[in-house]
Amino acid sequence: SQQGEEDPQALSIQEGENATMNCSYKTSINNLQWYRQNSGRGLVHLILIRSNEREKHSGRLRVTLDTSKKSSSLLITASRAADTASYFCATAPPFGNEKLTFGTGTRLTIIP
Amino acid sequence: NAGVTQTPKFQVLKTGQSMTLQCAQDMNHEYMSWYRQDPGMGLRLIHYSVGAGITDQGEVPNGYNVSRSTTEDFPLRLLSAAPSQTSVYFCASSPGLRTEAFFGQGTRLTVV
Repeated sequence: SQQGEEDPQALSIQEGENATMNCSYKTSINNLQWYRQNSGRGLVHLILIRSNEREKHSGRLRVTLDTSKKSSSLLITASRAADTASYFCATAPPFGNEKLTFGTGTRLTIIP
Repeated sequence: NAGVTQTPKFQVLKTGQSMTLQCAQDMNHEYMSWYRQDPGMGLRLIHYSVGAGITDQGEVPNGYNVSRSTTEDFPLRLLSAAPSQTSVYFCASSPGLRTEAFFGQGTRLTVV
């Protein structure tokens, strides 16, 4: 079963605007990760935020985590055409050998 | 470093045929996983391994076998292909149990 659910499922914005996508999950986590997938390619890791962190930045990416609401958001600032891709959140459990559990993704289209 | 290499990139099988999807990584990662990606369903874990000689089932293991005889290789075997196994398959490796995952480029499998 899916642990994470991204919202919205699809998002189209003009180049230069900011894009925000959200992820909700159901159970406790060790960390939450965001990945990008370009069409026909494998997933690429973007950023990892631990359960005791609230915000993290990497270049034009800003990720927030609210463990009380079991939700995270990914903000891409000053979007570019190259940001067109699907974005997935993945949660890592706090214990055991279980692996990452991925959400269903947000399809982001940047309009030049 | 090549990272994670999957072969083949595309494959068409007839119902009932068997085949092996190859996955190799050159990063000396202990953890390797196989996912399948279907439209609207995100990535679902098939099998994973926490080291050579150790494998375990994920969310959707039926119809698939794995083995891990070396750290580098983690092949996925389809025993008797069915149309429901039509999907895109991704292999991933990671240095730790809850760290970022590195993905291969995927194998697009069609079962007719």
